[in-house]
Amino acid sequence: NAGVTQTPKFQVLKTGQSMTLQCAQDMNHEYMSWYRQDPGMGLRLIHYSVGAGITDQGEVPNGYNVSRSTTEDFPLRLLSAAPSQTSVYFCASSPRTGNTEAFFGQGTRLTVV
Amino acid sequence: AQTVTQSQPEMSVQEAETVTLSCTYDTSESDYYLFWYKQPPSRQMILVIRQEAYKQQNATENRFSVNFQKAAKSFSLKISDSQLGDAAMYFCAYRSAPGGGSEKLVFGKGTKLTVNP
Repeated sequence: NAGVTQTPKFQVLKTGQSMTLQCAQDMNHEYMSWYRQDPGMGLRLIHYSVGAGITDQGEVPNGYNVSRSTTEDFPLRLLSAAPSQTSVYFCASSPRTGNTEAFFGQGTRLTVV
Repeated sequence: AQTVTQSQPEMSVQEAETVTLSCTYDTSESDYYLFWYKQPPSRQMILVIRQEAYKQQNATENRFSVNFQKAAKSFSLKISDSQLGDAAMYFCAYRSAPGGGSEKLVFGKGTKLTVNP
């Protein structure tokens, strides 16, 4: 079982460039989400999805787009990267049963210069 | 919206001693779940312990236990017999029960635990 696969692990972008962070899970989880982690700020929710075709905004959605065309994949798109988006990004998935733990990808360290 | 507060940005403990990390949360829901996650320097997120709000009994997992005070909305983590491998960032997290809310998993800002030999 691969669990949650998140790519790439590291990325450097120039201001204004676009890119997509990939997230795939093979556990048939309905719930998937993206977080960003900044020093002293914990993990802040960007977007989340409770199933294919359903997405919603989290705490810090501006500058990011998501879509959920399949249960397995939940990509995060940066349309025009800004230095403020320099962060470590995590994708997570879980069933919708509430008390089940969330499974996390290994994280992507993104630097926007 | 639910919020999670960890008031201790950093804590330290001597090896083999006991340490308690604090967490409070704000919610109007009656049914929910609480978690403690550990993040070592590898960045991997590891579940330490979970608690269902409808259960009065505090959860325990080996050297890790919680003190869940529902009325006070408090969920502290106690680590007994601390080991060097316990050094990490610890995050408290809240999740609504299915059908009761947005199902978002909300995190606190974290507590960095240092274990001194």
